Amino acid sequence: DTAVSQTPKYLVTQMGNDKSIKCEQNLGHDTMYWYKQDSKKFLKIMFSYNNKELIINETVPNRFSPKSPDKAHLNLHINSLELGDSAVYFCASSLNEADTQYFGPGTRLTVL
Amino acid sequence: RKEVEQDPGPFNVPEGATVAFNCTYSNSASQSFFWYRQDCRKEPKLLMSVYSSGNEDGRFTAQLNRASQYISLLIRDSKLSDSATYLCVVTNQAGTALIFGKGTTLSVSS
Repeated sequence: DTAVSQTPKYLVTQMGNDKSIKCEQNLGHDTMYWYKQDSKKFLKIMFSYNNKELIINETVPNRFSPKSPDKAHLNLHINSLELGDSAVYFCASSLNEADTQYFGPGTRLTVL
Repeated sequence: RKEVEQDPGPFNVPEGATVAFNCTYSNSASQSFFWYRQDCRKEPKLLMSVYSSGNEDGRFTAQLNRASQYISLLIRDSKLSDSATYLCVVTNQAGTALIFGKGTTLSVSS
């Protein structure tokens, strides 16, 4: 059983398009996160939600909008994609804030 | 000073070797510490938490020095399967998120 799942696994798209990445966790965790891992492999937090409420919103362009319809889901919508958005996006969840985090398999986004 | 600093490596060692990774963190208020492991093109996974008294899990030993704001990971009897990137992780000041280092790459060869 997959604990944290993301779709799609790969996403190739043109500049200027709008795309969404979905994340679901079946661990019963209260907190979910989105991370971006760039070409230099640096893993940086973008957002965190606790019980559907936004807790952390790092310095991320407002083209990125997270949406949490319920505790088990945290989706990421990206408007007007740019070349610099190319990266691997990881979703994660934890029981509470700053507890051990469990990561999804990642979504490799390539913007052409 | 970066929030979490690690030597990126790569560390290239033969099977059976002992290897140690170090990590320093800038926020003295950090309360929780972890080592995560990330294989190539895979997601990070928790390797072990790091406790003040130091802790061991099989061939892996983690140490924490709060006064020096320093964390270490020792791997004994390296296996080929230990080849990966090891991420040092600390909590932020508010205790609401984890901050990841850039990772140290280990390559174990036969």
